Amino acid sequence: QVQLVQSGVEVKKPGASVKVSCKASGYTFTNYGISWVRQAPGQGLEWMGWISAYNGNTIYAQRLQGRVTMTTDTSTSTAYMELRSLRSDDTAMYYCARDLNSNWYGGDTFDIWGRGTMVTVSS
Amino acid sequence: DVVMSQSPLSLPVTLGQPASISCRSSQSLVYSDGNTYLNWFQQRPGQSPRRLIYKVSNRDPGVPDRFSGSGSGTDFTLRISRVEAEDVGVYYCMQGTHWPRTFGQGTKVEIK
Repeated sequence: QVQLVQSGVEVKKPGASVKVSCKASGYTFTNYGISWVRQAPGQGLEWMGWISAYNGNTIYAQRLQGRVTMTTDTSTSTAYMELRSLRSDDTAMYYCARDLNSNWYGGDTFDIWGRGTMVTVSS
Repeated sequence: DVVMSQSPLSLPVTLGQPASISCRSSQSLVYSDGNTYLNWFQQRPGQSPRRLIYKVSNRDPGVPDRFSGSGSGTDFTLRISRVEAEDVGVYYCMQGTHWPRTFGQGTKVEIK
């Protein structure tokens, strides 16, 4: 079935980096993109950015520009999100969700979500 | 960025009674192709978000027909015709018309 499987729990110190993976299965990876969404404890959903699995184009949320990098490996149908210079307020559940493969047209999005990766930033 | 504003933020409901959540956007969500990319998600406690409604009023497979979406332009509504215990959770609207994607603050539905 169509699914996104994310990597496991991460505990990091302030200033470190984290790289979360999201492996797609059950569909043609390059026909879609991946958006990353995070949720701090007890808070709402925050969109972090998007990557096209077709051509690697990215759009990042302005507040994370310079600290986040999203990549894909089409040979393994896996998307990655790396966040650098971690702070305590980066502590959150990080989700990947299926999105469009281009930002030049509209379409149905966020129909499939991963189960989330908990990232805790603490000294 | 398009701001999505939901109300109410907390919604206590009696089992079997209807519930309604409003979502307003700061700009029109009509895309150049004529579609309106407004989604509704349900997040049950301890779970990932699950899409219920896409393009304003289309239910996803497996979503009970007591859930319905309506609206146009900048004003949208999610309705639950008769709330059941399994509907407890937080509901979010999200616009997929403009970049960046933006979510509403969430509405917490609980049983009275």
